[in-house]
Amino acid sequence: GVTQSPTHLIKTRGQQVTLRCSSQSGHNTVSWYQQALGQGPQFIFQYYREEENGRGNFPPRFSGLQFPNDSSELNVNALELDDSALYLCASSLDRRGYYGYTFGSGTRLTVV
Amino acid sequence: SQQGEEDPQALSIQEGENATMNCSYKTSINNLQWYRQNSGRGLVHLILIRSNEREKHSGRLRVTLDTSKKSSSLLITASRAADTASYFCATGGTGANNLFFGTGTRLTVIP
Repeated sequence: GVTQSPTHLIKTRGQQVTLRCSSQSGHNTVSWYQQALGQGPQFIFQYYREEENGRGNFPPRFSGLQFPNDSSELNVNALELDDSALYLCASSLDRRGYYGYTFGSGTRLTVV
Repeated sequence: SQQGEEDPQALSIQEGENATMNCSYKTSINNLQWYRQNSGRGLVHLILIRSNEREKHSGRLRVTLDTSKKSSSLLITASRAADTASYFCATGGTGANNLFFGTGTRLTVIP
């Protein structure tokens, strides 16, 4: 499956954070979503073969990396209080998610 | 903005009863997927229905899709306490590389 680390994180406003994801083996596409409390997940961006392949309505201080070993990262700079949310990583066999997505358990980020 | 909208927002039923959740969306889609989320943790993929399909079954789950009405429904039969969770519909749009999620239906199954 998909594993994410850490499970919980508390950071101070203005700091930077890196969240990590290990995709399901054989999946070449990883997507990141932000889920605020009581809301549905919102698409941040997608990486396909280590290149960004689509981005939602998030500022450039949200950036990512995908590595050849099925791992990826979400980086957020200059943290704001509104960045507090559950961050979900999802991997898929193809870029369009034609066969569905496998989600990780998420990282709960709290910005104080 | 989120494309899907689930209805109702919350549903409470007795164990053994059936639960029906509805989803409406706004634009053309390639597929529609249903996910379950327990206590704000990760999403579990339940079922995927493609735009050229009308009905799909998986165990106690039955999903229908009406593209003319831009709506879908998820039926859980013979519900169990373990089905208590939030359920989200998510649409995969044509030309899009991501899913658009609704705000979810919170299902509570009372033992």
